[in-house]
Amino acid sequence: QKEVEQNSGPLSVPEGAIASLNCTYSDRGSQSFFWYRQYSGKSPELIMFIYSNGDKEDGRFTAQLNKASQYVSLLIRDSQPSDSATYLCAVRAAGNKLTFGGGTRVLVKP
Amino acid sequence: DTGVSQNPRHKITKRGQNVTFRCDPISEHNRLYWYRQTLGQGPEFLTYFQNEAQLEKSRLLSDRFSAERPKGSFSTLEIQRTEQGDSAMYLCASSLEGTGDPRQFFGPGTRLTVL
Repeated sequence: QKEVEQNSGPLSVPEGAIASLNCTYSDRGSQSFFWYRQYSGKSPELIMFIYSNGDKEDGRFTAQLNKASQYVSLLIRDSQPSDSATYLCAVRAAGNKLTFGGGTRVLVKP
Repeated sequence: DTGVSQNPRHKITKRGQNVTFRCDPISEHNRLYWYRQTLGQGPEFLTYFQNEAQLEKSRLLSDRFSAERPKGSFSTLEIQRTEQGDSAMYLCASSLEGTGDPRQFFGPGTRLTVL
């Protein structure tokens, strides 16, 4: 079992719709949770992070965390073609390294 | 505000050669991380520094890999006797620890191709 799991996709979303991305993790000691966006050939770009159960909103993005279920999600509202990218879920436990999932590829179709 | 920079951006080398990459973190950041990413995978942790001290190394980091951060500012990652399996994107990230801000910011990466 991988430490951080994501559906590889692609997740195809019509322009203007909501994209919903999911991530599960195995280490119950995990403390902080991150979503990065990565365009093809580029490095990961931090979108947002969350460390408390519940929702955290930043613009069109909402992160949701449920530590009891070991589950974190990202919602992208009003999806735009420029949101087409791979979204990486990363988890930080008591140590300092980030453990990444394999990423979910999102395609927003005009 | 200068972000994380990495040099070179691309490196092509022949198997058996040594290569060295450089990372310059965000200026006030005290932590520096190295990750490796292969096609279709998420980044994998290699090692990290708190100031000049190397505090953790992944089991992925074979004896052919060595990293330094001599003055607590920039860092170098050297790969000796490169193998084709070393071909990957090498990513550097930095963060400011001790402030409660856990965010790590990545540089543009160095893409290594071993022929």
